[in-house]
Amino acid sequence: DAGVIQSPRHEVTEMGQEVTLRCKPISGHNSLFWYRQTMMRGLELLIYFNNNVPIDDSGMPEDRFSAKMPNASFSTLKIQPSEPRDSAVYFCASSSGLAGLIQYFGAGTRLSVL
Amino acid sequence: GQQLNQSPQSMFIQEGEDVSMNCTSSSIFNTWLWYKQDPGEGPVLLIALYKAGELTSNGRLTAQFGITRKDSFLNISASIPSDVGIYFCAGQKGGSQGNLIFGKGTKLSVKP
Repeated sequence: DAGVIQSPRHEVTEMGQEVTLRCKPISGHNSLFWYRQTMMRGLELLIYFNNNVPIDDSGMPEDRFSAKMPNASFSTLKIQPSEPRDSAVYFCASSSGLAGLIQYFGAGTRLSVL
Repeated sequence: GQQLNQSPQSMFIQEGEDVSMNCTSSSIFNTWLWYKQDPGEGPVLLIALYKAGELTSNGRLTAQFGITRKDSFLNISASIPSDVGIYFCAGQKGGSQGNLIFGKGTKLSVKP
């Protein structure tokens, strides 16, 4: 069974450009989470969805960040405009209500904003 | 926001040594999870704990859910080179729908 799939694995962009990160959760999972990981702040939850509905977006740093989940098998995290301080590794994770709280992570997208 | 204090931040191991790390919080958690992250990869679940006092093993790994529900411990026995990586604890308080709070990690490296 395929795990959580994220694309791209690496993204290098210039300040001011729009960046879109993509995630395909594990089939059958009904919760999806977006995290940001940096050396300084560790793993931070940005937003999570349950049954495609955003439940908690209090971790989204500012209006430049937006996330969508148009269906159960796809989610995007968009940064517009991007800034150098957005450079980080962004992870998507999914979980199934039936399996409790165990979240399965994708391999991440390493974003560098120059 | 919520914080989990994970220690040590880093440690060096020699093959065959036992390793211990822990996670503490000022708040009570209902669930503790331990993940391991290898370079360039996402965290992978090692052990999940659901009850205070629970002791669970996964091969050479053993984790415990503290009696006070404010802490958890992870031990690795007879370490091997592939144990290097970053270990994260994560906790969940009752009532939230799967929202986990992560510690900052313990980085395990091999002694030169």
